[in-house]
Amino acid sequence: GQNIDQPTEMTATEGAIVQINCTYQTSGFNGLFWYQQHAGEAPTFLSYNVLDGLEEKGRFSSFLSRSKGYSYLLLKELQMKDSASYLCAVMDSNYQLIWGAGTKLIIKP
Amino acid sequence: NAGVTQTPKFRVLKTGQSMTLLCAQDMNHEYMYWYRQDPGMGLRLIHYSVGEGTTAKGEVPDGYNVSRLKKQNFLLGLESAAPSQTSVYFCASSGTSGSGPAAYEQYFGPGTRLTVT
Repeated sequence: GQNIDQPTEMTATEGAIVQINCTYQTSGFNGLFWYQQHAGEAPTFLSYNVLDGLEEKGRFSSFLSRSKGYSYLLLKELQMKDSASYLCAVMDSNYQLIWGAGTKLIIKP
Repeated sequence: NAGVTQTPKFRVLKTGQSMTLLCAQDMNHEYMYWYRQDPGMGLRLIHYSVGEGTTAKGEVPDGYNVSRLKKQNFLLGLESAAPSQTSVYFCASSGTSGSGPAAYEQYFGPGTRLTVT
C-alpha cells in the first residue's frame, strides 16, 4: 500500500529552527510537495522536490532522499505566523498526490 | 483573478438529503480535484477530472458523483447524505504549461464545511 508518515505535532520557539520529517512508501515517485495549511484555511504550496538534495527558498528549505524515501522541511527564524499544519504529499506513478496527515507546528514566544 | 472558489462555505444537511457543491477556477487549468479532509487523516481524493467532459474515481468515491460540463467548473454531488460524509471538502485545480512545480502544483479553494446530522 501507499503510506506517508509525518509527526502529528511539534512545538518550537519563536526565532528558532525546526525540522519536520516525512517518510514515504508509494507506487512510483514523480515528486514530493510540501504545503502549509493555517487552521480553517486551504493548503498553500511551499516547495517541490523531484531530485535528491536541498531546495532553499527564503526561510524555508526542503530536502529529498529518494533512495531512503525521506524528506524534511526546515523552517528557520521561526515567526508566530508559522504556526500551522505542514502537509507532505508525494506524486505517485499515476501523477496523483498521496497526502500525509500533516504536522501541526506550534510556535511559542 | 479569483483563483479557485467554492460554494457554499458551510452547510448542514439531514441524513438522506442531497446537495451539490460547486467549484470554479479562472486559471484555465485542465485538471480539477475534489478532496475531503478529516481530523487526523490526510487529504483523500474523492473524484478528479483531467479535462472538460471527463471524470474519474479517486480513493474514496462511494456516495459521491461529479460532473465537469465546463472547463472552469467541477461539481460534487451527494445524492443521499450520511453522517460519515461530515467533513471539510476542498476543490483544487492544476495543470499549466511548462515543467516542474508549475505543471503539478495544485491550487486549493477555501473549502466547504459540511455537517450531516
